[in-house]
Amino acid sequence: KAGVTQTPRYLIKTRGQQVTLSCSPISGHRSVSWYQQTPGQGLQFLFEYFSETQRNKGNFPGRFSGRQFSNSRSEMNVSTLELGDSALYLCASSSEINQPQHFGDGTRLSIL
Amino acid sequence: AQRVTQPEKLLSVFKGAPVELKCNYSYSGSPELFWYVQYSRQRLQLLLRHISRESIKGFTADLNKGETSFHLKKPFAQEEDSAMYYCAPSGQGGSEKLVFGKGTKLTVNP
Repeated sequence: KAGVTQTPRYLIKTRGQQVTLSCSPISGHRSVSWYQQTPGQGLQFLFEYFSETQRNKGNFPGRFSGRQFSNSRSEMNVSTLELGDSALYLCASSSEINQPQHFGDGTRLSIL
Repeated sequence: AQRVTQPEKLLSVFKGAPVELKCNYSYSGSPELFWYVQYSRQRLQLLLRHISRESIKGFTADLNKGETSFHLKKPFAQEEDSAMYYCAPSGQGGSEKLVFGKGTKLTVNP
């Protein structure tokens, strides 16, 4: 089976722009979670989706949003980008509740 | 509030020495507990989970509910064990949200 695929791998944006990141889970996995990884804060949970429904949301401002499609693919969007949004954004998928999550390589977002 | 503490940011041992990476958690209910590992230039991957009680790559982790700890141990460290290790409970309220510790960077010296 192919692993979790995230596109694009790298992105450079400027302050005030918006960005959309994409995640394709492992085939058959219905749960997708997103995490932000920074040197200072480590790995922080953003959202979790299961069967197109957001099940949980982390402590991030409303500029961060996401969605999941019927094929389980997921996107996250960040609007009005700030310098502090520079990070590695990781997507993870799993088959069911409490099953191990499988991570993608991430999208590295740099804000200039 | 959910909280995970990995007290050692950096841990350095010599090859063949025992290694213990500490993890303490504060979590309501009965979380599922995981250790994830990230080797250099590789993606984050599952190392082990407490319910499986497996030994993966020689690592084991014992859940101590009284102390709310889930320390990772290996009796004889190898150079290829050098990596970043993250402790993460999951599963509160039916959610799969992982709450990661800040991680411990393990370096095994020859």
